[in-house]
Amino acid sequence: QQQVKQSPQSLIVQKGGISIINCAYENTAFDYFPWYQQFPGKGPALLIAIRPDVSEKKEGRFTISFNKSAKQFSLHIMDSQPGDSATYFCAASMTNAGNMLTFGGGTRLMVKP
Amino acid sequence: GAVVSQHPSWVICKSGTSVKIECRSLDFQATTMFWYRQFPKQSLMLMATSNEGSKATYEQGVEKDKFLINHASLTLSTLTVTSAHPEDSSFYICSARRSGSWDEQFFGPGTRLTVL
Repeated sequence: QQQVKQSPQSLIVQKGGISIINCAYENTAFDYFPWYQQFPGKGPALLIAIRPDVSEKKEGRFTISFNKSAKQFSLHIMDSQPGDSATYFCAASMTNAGNMLTFGGGTRLMVKP
Repeated sequence: GAVVSQHPSWVICKSGTSVKIECRSLDFQATTMFWYRQFPKQSLMLMATSNEGSKATYEQGVEKDKFLINHASLTLSTLTVTSAHPEDSSFYICSARRSGSWDEQFFGPGTRLTVL
């Protein structure tokens, strides 16, 4: 059972454009939603995270938008750069369930120069 | 802060041998660490949760006798792949949970295992 669905699977954006990746979850008990960035052959790196008590969180060029009623959250990368080309994973976890992360399927982002 | 290391970064072994992978949290203590497996172009699959001082909790379908996990200290967890076979070849990644207001998970760089 895939509890976190991520789309699109792949994304091509021109340099300077906005990259948008979407995730939808099913379990309303999830209360922590991080995004990870992974380069080939490397482990995922925590990019930004949000809790359901806010609708948006911004850190530099990265913004998470969170819609609790729709059970959806998205990552926006502003002014996308070729160095942002990587695979991005959304995830969700429950504080009272050991914080085990449930990952989305991943989005391979390519930013063209 | 929040650095997690893994050793080795890659290993090649013969079928039937055992391989140990170490996961260390370098600048924080982690009572809980997680082990994942990742196939090419796929998402991370949780294998087990490693708790310091107690037995690991394995996900459904993961053989606990094949993937031995030991969490001997607050900064070290090890995964031993016993009697490895070519189908065990994969990218193994650990993460460590840093306790705090957010209980964030930080990942190691991964270990590429190739079984010949």
